[in-house]
Amino acid sequence: GAVVSQHPSRVICKSGTSVKIECRSLDFQATTMFWYRQFPKQSLMLMATSNEGSKATYEQGVEKDKFLINHASLTLSTLTVTSAHPEDSSFYICSARDGGAVNQPQHFGDGTRLSIL
Amino acid sequence: QQQVKQSPQSLIVQKGGISIINCAYENTAFDYFPWYQQFPGKGPALLIAIRPDVSEKKEGRFTISFNKSAKQFSLHIMDSQPGDSATYFCALHRGGGADGLTFGKGTHLIIQP
Repeated sequence: GAVVSQHPSRVICKSGTSVKIECRSLDFQATTMFWYRQFPKQSLMLMATSNEGSKATYEQGVEKDKFLINHASLTLSTLTVTSAHPEDSSFYICSARDGGAVNQPQHFGDGTRLSIL
Repeated sequence: QQQVKQSPQSLIVQKGGISIINCAYENTAFDYFPWYQQFPGKGPALLIAIRPDVSEKKEGRFTISFNKSAKQFSLHIMDSQPGDSATYFCALHRGGGADGLTFGKGTHLIIQP
């Protein structure tokens, strides 16, 4: 149980393109989902918290107009990287919380490797 | 500002040995302490987690030891196997109204056959 699916797994596109990444909880409902970014051989950094039906909460230093987050249902959150540039190349990983309490397990997708040429 | 310090950065253990990874934190508002295992090109997988009202939790070969007064917690992998070779992250849930996980920098574990 507690499977999180992320799509696509890899994207290669030209500079200036907007890219949408989907995160789905397959066997549970997730009121809250999270988006992280991971650089090679480094730790995960929280970008934003996504709550179903409300605006996302962004971490300090993360541009909300650059990284658009939509959480329209209890099983789907999307991250759109707008007008992507080479410095946006990274491994983007989503997670979904199983349960309503804030100290409940977060389950992660397998990530999206974004490469901007 | 690093809120959690994880050590060692890398670790080599012989098959059958005990792997020990440590994390220390500063903020007492953290209220949930999970450990994740990550293989290359994959997302982190939840291994085991503990809450601050418990000093130890064991699941199979994995044990978390938690020292609230010292603000430290550790992961012990008993009878380490080559398949355990991966990167391990400790994480903390930010309590006090904030949400999301703060991760340690990771430990690259290699189990030698």
